[in-house]
Amino acid sequence: AQTVTQSQPEMSVQEAETVTLSCTYDTSENNYYLFWYKQPPSRQMILVIRQEAYKQQNATENRFSVNFQKAAKSFSLKISDSQLGDTAMYFCAFMKREKNYGQNFVFGPGTRLSVLP
Amino acid sequence: NAGVTQTPKFQVLKTGQSMTLQCAQDMNHEYMSWYRQDPGMGLRLIHYSVGAGITDQGEVPNGYNVSRSTTEDFPLRLLSAAPSQTSVYFCASSSHYDRLAYQPQHFGDGTRLSIL
Repeated sequence: AQTVTQSQPEMSVQEAETVTLSCTYDTSENNYYLFWYKQPPSRQMILVIRQEAYKQQNATENRFSVNFQKAAKSFSLKISDSQLGDTAMYFCAFMKREKNYGQNFVFGPGTRLSVLP
Repeated sequence: NAGVTQTPKFQVLKTGQSMTLQCAQDMNHEYMSWYRQDPGMGLRLIHYSVGAGITDQGEVPNGYNVSRSTTEDFPLRLLSAAPSQTSVYFCASSSHYDRLAYQPQHFGDGTRLSIL
């Protein structure tokens, strides 16, 4: 079974600075996908960024980028120029394809990020 | 707006009562799923469906039933509510029409359920 670990329950960063959230996972699969979701106080789950395991190039979405280390099974999220609106819970998630077209999403426990003014 | 709609947003039940959490999506997504979110834990998969008429168990299925009679709807039933089922429940959907592509999940806004 796959597991996802986020070792930082809480983090804080000053507005306009850079912060990195860590995520490690355990799997025997070779073909899978990784995601970072953001959950603000409104509770809505919002996709931040995604990465295919077969791609060596790290994904980037505006101020959000990842450092994907497949051999180390590490998938960290870097937020540059932090904004107050980035305050949220951040969940790392792993997905593999099932034989019956199903999807198996496994979520980490989350990191609560506070951006300080 | 297109997306995943969950009702109700809040619900309080007494132990032993039954109820159904509703989930509907208007994106013609084949895949739908239910998660529960407990404090200090990530989302855990309860049940999922890969299409109308097809459902399967996730990580924590006990105490919950689902059905998928249409592509749009995927209700979650609690047959006899227990305090351990107090949680926030999320419904999600995604498309897998292209098996070589991945699709992120679209989430509903969640249902906060308290069992007394």
